[in-house]
Amino acid sequence: DTEVTQTPKHLVMGMTNKKSLKCEQHMGHRAMYWYKQKAKKPPELMFVYSYEKLSINESVPSRFSPECPNSSLLNLHLHALQPEDSALYLCASSQLVFTTEAFFGQGTRLTVV
Amino acid sequence: DQQVKQNSPSLSVQEGRISILNCDYTNSMFDYFLWYKKYPAEGPTFLISISSIKDKNEDGRFTVFLNKSAKHLSLHIVPSQPGDSAVYFCAASNAGNNRKLIWGLGTSLAVNP
Repeated sequence: DTEVTQTPKHLVMGMTNKKSLKCEQHMGHRAMYWYKQKAKKPPELMFVYSYEKLSINESVPSRFSPECPNSSLLNLHLHALQPEDSALYLCASSQLVFTTEAFFGQGTRLTVV
Repeated sequence: DQQVKQNSPSLSVQEGRISILNCDYTNSMFDYFLWYKKYPAEGPTFLISISSIKDKNEDGRFTVFLNKSAKHLSLHIVPSQPGDSAVYFCAASNAGNNRKLIWGLGTSLAVNP
């Protein structure tokens, strides 16, 4: 199993809503990542978890709140987002932080209205 | 300041011919380079990588060449197939930056039947 599974695939939310994005991997990877990608741009790193602990936060606004309940799961809690936060949110995992190639999920297409 | 540059936003190639995608970098501390391929509405897929101790790495139809003195790498796809049509991202890392990936802006490859 070399998959990173993200749910939901699409999400439309209002600016006052609270929602969560979910990510799961069963490859035994100890590093998990959240990226944000806008059209015609490369992925932009948001958060890195290593051994279930947050190791990097790329100065992401607090309206994005990550959570790593266990070594296979990664969540991104969303609250009071802005329309400019609309993007493709990608989860990725790798054996160790940045030392090996990352496997990406298919992403959640988020639209904030 | 873009440390990893993919100067061609797009490339069009005939099926069966060679596709050459180029990537330049400015940080001489980068010692590991990766190519990712991305289809629309999907996450990036790891394609091939190269360490700075090598100047060539080959995997099937894909070969990456590294010219450290020119700070340049290229991805060769031979023969090109219509299914190769995607956006290709070059990324680089170095130990001094915790191996965080620095991405180029991508090159959109179209392989025409």
